[in-house]
Amino acid sequence: EVQLVQSGAEVKKPGESLRISCMGSGYSFTTYWISWVRQVPGKGLEWLGRIDPSDSYTNYSPSFQGHVTISADKSINTASLQWTSLRASDTAIYYCARQVCGGDCYLLNWGQGTVVTVSS
Amino acid sequence: QSVLTQPPSVSAAPGQKVTISCSGNSSNIGNNFVSWYQQLPGTAPKLLIYENDKRPSGIPDRFSGSKSGTSATLGITGLQTGDEADYYCGTWESSLSPNWVFGDGTKLTVL
Repeated sequence: EVQLVQSGAEVKKPGESLRISCMGSGYSFTTYWISWVRQVPGKGLEWLGRIDPSDSYTNYSPSFQGHVTISADKSINTASLQWTSLRASDTAIYYCARQVCGGDCYLLNWGQGTVVTVSS
Repeated sequence: QSVLTQPPSVSAAPGQKVTISCSGNSSNIGNNFVSWYQQLPGTAPKLLIYENDKRPSGIPDRFSGSKSGTSATLGITGLQTGDEADYYCGTWESSLSPNWVFGDGTKLTVL
C-alpha cells in the first residue's frame, strides 16, 4: 500500500525557521516526483513546487520561489519543505503528494497534512 | 483568484446529477490534461479523475470527467450525502518552468 506520512503539527513564531517532512512507503520513492500543496484555513489548494527524489531536481511555483525550499533524502525515502524565516501568512495545512506522470501528471496519493501555525 | 475558474458552489438533491465547470485558457487547460480532486471536510484531497476523463481504481463510475477546448467538466450522478465536499480541478500552466495550478474550488451541497 502506498503511503505518505507527514511530520506532526508545528507552532512557530514569525522569523523562525522550520522543516516539515513527508516519508513515502509502498513504492519506489525515486521513481515519482513529490509535490507540496498549501491550504490556508478556509481557502483553496495552492501548489508550492515539486522535487524529483532521484536527483533532487526541483520546480517551484513563481508565487513561492525564494520563500520555501524543497529537498529530498532518497536514503530514507523522505521529502522536506523548509522555511528560513516564517511569516504569519505561512499559517496553513501543508500536504505532500506523489505525482504520477504517464500521458500527463497528476497527484495520485496524498499525505495526511501538516498543520503549521505561525503566531507571535 | 486562480487562473482556473470554478463556480464557488453547486447544490442538488440526493439521487440527482450535478456538473462542476473549470474554465481556463490556452496556456493551461487548452494544451494540458485536467485532473479533479475531492476534499471531504477535515481530510486530505483525493484524486477523482485524471487525464481529463479517467478514473483511478476504486472511484465509482458515478464520477466522470470531460474536456473541450479550454474548459473541463466534472459530473456526478446519483448524488449521495457523502459526496458533500469541495472539488478542485488542476492542470499545468505552461510557462518557462512547469507550474501546476488548481481552480479555486467548488463546494458541493447535497440538499
